[in-house]
Amino acid sequence: EDQVTQSPEALRLQEGESSSLNCSYTVSGLRGLFWYRQDPGKGPEFLFTLYSAGEEKEKERLKATLTKKESFLHITAPKPEDSATYLCAVVGWSGANNLFFGTGTRLTVIP
Amino acid sequence: NAGVTQTPKFRILKIGQSMTLQCAQDMNHNYMYWYRQDPGMGLKLIYYSVGAGITDKGEVPNGYNVSRSTTEDFPLRLELAAPSQTSVYFCASSYSREDTGELFFGEGSRLTVL
Repeated sequence: EDQVTQSPEALRLQEGESSSLNCSYTVSGLRGLFWYRQDPGKGPEFLFTLYSAGEEKEKERLKATLTKKESFLHITAPKPEDSATYLCAVVGWSGANNLFFGTGTRLTVIP
Repeated sequence: NAGVTQTPKFRILKIGQSMTLQCAQDMNHNYMYWYRQDPGMGLKLIYYSVGAGITDKGEVPNGYNVSRSTTEDFPLRLELAAPSQTSVYFCASSYSREDTGELFFGEGSRLTVL
């Protein structure tokens, strides 16, 4: 069964303090791994798609990387506006249109 | 460009009542989805549609029904509401199967069943 585990559940950082969020996954044939950002009271907002081990994607202070077992979302010199819950999701070749989402990491960046 | 629009944003139901959550998208996307999000749980797929007239069950379809008569609209029907259906419901859309993971979400509908 496809599974996604995100850690830590919550992370508090000082502004400018870089860190990484982890997404470990188990899927029968990875079709894609996706990162989303979700602000309180809002729907998730798409950030990145990663397809194969070794792939990297960047957007502003965020960088997503992928290995055969996990993905990392690196946050460099975060700002308070980066505070949100970050969700990871996977879809396998056998999963049709069913994305499996992790429970997310709630990031708080303190000024 | 409104994207994905959900109504209502909030609703309180009594046990046994029925209601429909509305979802509309103006991006001409073929694929549409309904998810529910519960505290401490990942988003769970309820139903999805790959085009007008075609729907299929997701991971947690029991207690719900959907229809897709147009490309734009994908309503979710709750029959005989139960406390277990208290949740935040999100509608989403994507252009094609290849874009399955790149979903556009609405702002959600928070439902409480008492």
